[in-house]
Amino acid sequence: GQNIDQPTEMTATEGAIVQINCTYQTSGFNGLFWYQQHAGEAPTFLSYNVLDGLEEKGRFSSFLSRSKGYSYLLLKELQMKDSASYLCAVRDNDYKLSFGAGTTVTVRA
Amino acid sequence: IAGITQAPTSQILAAGRRMTLRCTQDMRHNAMYWYRQDLGLGLRLIHYSNTAGTTGKGEVPDGYSVSRANTDDFPLTLASAVPSQTSVYFCASSFSGGATDTQYFGPGTRLTVL
Repeated sequence: GQNIDQPTEMTATEGAIVQINCTYQTSGFNGLFWYQQHAGEAPTFLSYNVLDGLEEKGRFSSFLSRSKGYSYLLLKELQMKDSASYLCAVRDNDYKLSFGAGTTVTVRA
Repeated sequence: IAGITQAPTSQILAAGRRMTLRCTQDMRHNAMYWYRQDLGLGLRLIHYSNTAGTTGKGEVPDGYSVSRANTDDFPLTLASAVPSQTSVYFCASSFSGGATDTQYFGPGTRLTVL
């Protein structure tokens, strides 16, 4: 089975940095994904980690530690448009995704 | 068509009725998926198909059926809808369903069963 935990909500100020943590306990591991989902819209792909370390993509970075079952998504220079839910998903050995419940980030002016 | 489309956008349905949610992709992706998203529970996999002609069960398959007659279409059928099937349904697709894959999602169908 899969158990994926992430905080329910986070609030930050425009221009600041926010780190969203994700911990997982899964029966198999074949990569970790982060998706962004604006209210009423579809999830959109942000990042993918399969090896330990940091992946940087513009203002967004994602980190993975497989030994600790831990990942984080770092959002830098926050903008109002970054207000959304951020979904952590783990791919198992059958290449199926299991999702956490999502973290709602609210960016304040 | 560009990407993945779903129909209808939203639907209110009486309990006991049959309903088919449609999903079509034009990216020639081999793998397709159906998820439901409920508040506090995240996305849960209902059924999937790794290639045309094959289907498999996900985490929450009961009460749902799928078919994959061709590469582009992956309809989800509720044979006899119940209120617990009230949810937002997302269809997704990926190139191969394998190790280097990324799933791309459709816009969703909001279903209310009364």
